[in-house]
Amino acid sequence: EAGVTQFPSHSVIEKGQTVTLRCDPISGHDNLYWYRRVMGKEIKFLLHFVKESKQDESGMPNNRFLAERTGGTYSTLKVQPAELEDSGVYFCASSHGRGHGYGYTFGSGTRLTVV
Amino acid sequence: AQSVTQLDSQVPVFEEAPVELRCNYSSSVSVYLFWYVQYPNQGLQLLLKYLSGSTLVESINGFEAEFNKSQTSFHLRKPSVHISDTAEYFCAVSVTNDYKLSFGAGTTVTVRA
Repeated sequence: EAGVTQFPSHSVIEKGQTVTLRCDPISGHDNLYWYRRVMGKEIKFLLHFVKESKQDESGMPNNRFLAERTGGTYSTLKVQPAELEDSGVYFCASSHGRGHGYGYTFGSGTRLTVV
Repeated sequence: AQSVTQLDSQVPVFEEAPVELRCNYSSSVSVYLFWYVQYPNQGLQLLLKYLSGSTLVESINGFEAEFNKSQTSFHLRKPSVHISDTAEYFCAVSVTNDYKLSFGAGTTVTVRA
């Protein structure tokens, strides 16, 4: 089966611009997660979708970040306007169920650089 | 809230030597523990996990980790490393009914010939 696909793999934008990251989970995975790693620090949770519904968005840093999951398939994460501190690697993960035994499958990440 | 501390940010090691990556966690409730690995230019891959039962868990490529509740640790070990084990390793924790992961800062393992 295809894995979790994220694109673009890299994005360099100027401060104040808008960027949209996309994640295609494994087909049939209802649970989709976004995580972010900023400047070599810990990977931090952003939010969790179950199908098209936001289950937990407690990790979203501020209202410049907007995540959507239309139809419960792929997800987008928009940053508008981007700030320098948004630079980092954004990971997406999906899982079939919500139990810990299912485990997550992570994508390769999108490296965002805001200059 | 739970947190994870990986005590070593960089671990250089010679091929065929043993390696231990240390991970300590803090949590007021029961935890589930994970080790993920990120090879260069790839995504995070689950290496092994502790959910319940035996406190010693093993991966298919020779790594093992032991859950020590009294010391709140989940150290990762491999008795003999290969060049291909060069990667960044992340310890993570989650708790019952909360499926998000809390990660440590990562440990970069560099295996030299």
